[in-house]
Amino acid sequence: DAGVTQSPTHLIKTRGQHVTLRCSPISGHKSVSWYQQVLGQGPQFIFQYYEKEERGRGNFPDRFSARQFPNYSSELNVNALLLGDSALYLCASSSGGLPNQPQHFGDGTRLSIL
Amino acid sequence: AQKVTQAQTEISVVEKEDVTLDCVYETRDTTYYLFWYKQPPSGELVFLIRRNSFDEQNEISGRYSWNFQKSTSSFNFTITASQVVDSAVYFCALSEAGYNFNKFYFGSGTKLNVKP
Repeated sequence: DAGVTQSPTHLIKTRGQHVTLRCSPISGHKSVSWYQQVLGQGPQFIFQYYEKEERGRGNFPDRFSARQFPNYSSELNVNALLLGDSALYLCASSSGGLPNQPQHFGDGTRLSIL
Repeated sequence: AQKVTQAQTEISVVEKEDVTLDCVYETRDTTYYLFWYKQPPSGELVFLIRRNSFDEQNEISGRYSWNFQKSTSSFNFTITASQVVDSAVYFCALSEAGYNFNKFYFGSGTKLNVKP
């Protein structure tokens, strides 16, 4: 069975641009979460979606937005990119999105801002 | 305040040595969940174990073992007879039942280098 898949693998953008990252969860998983991992740090929670609705949001500015589609895949959008947005963006899926459920992560999208 | 603290930034051992990775957490919830993940250089976080706050029984899985102590708010991870393939960054994470969603608080990670 396929795991969590993310695209693209790598991306280079310049300041002020917009970016869209994509994620497909494990088959049967209805919850998708997004995390930002800056080099040398642990992942930081950005969003969680369950059944196409936002369940939770971390401490990130409004430049960050996301959505989930009927097939449970998800997109993370970041507007007006800043140098500090350079990071590994990880997508995770779980069956029901509850606190006790392990999240299964993809390989991530490495975003570099020039 | 940091919810999960992994004080060891980097540890280097020689193959076959035992190594313990420390994790200290902070929460006001009475029901919470603790996790360990492994992150190899490829970037994917690999789930290793989950522990519920109401279950303090230690667990062993092959060369891996976990020691959960509520009295000290610690959830430490020991690798016995380490191997080169164990080299990775290991993260401890906390999830609180007070939220109705999957918000994980991760520590800053411990990089383990196992040398042949």
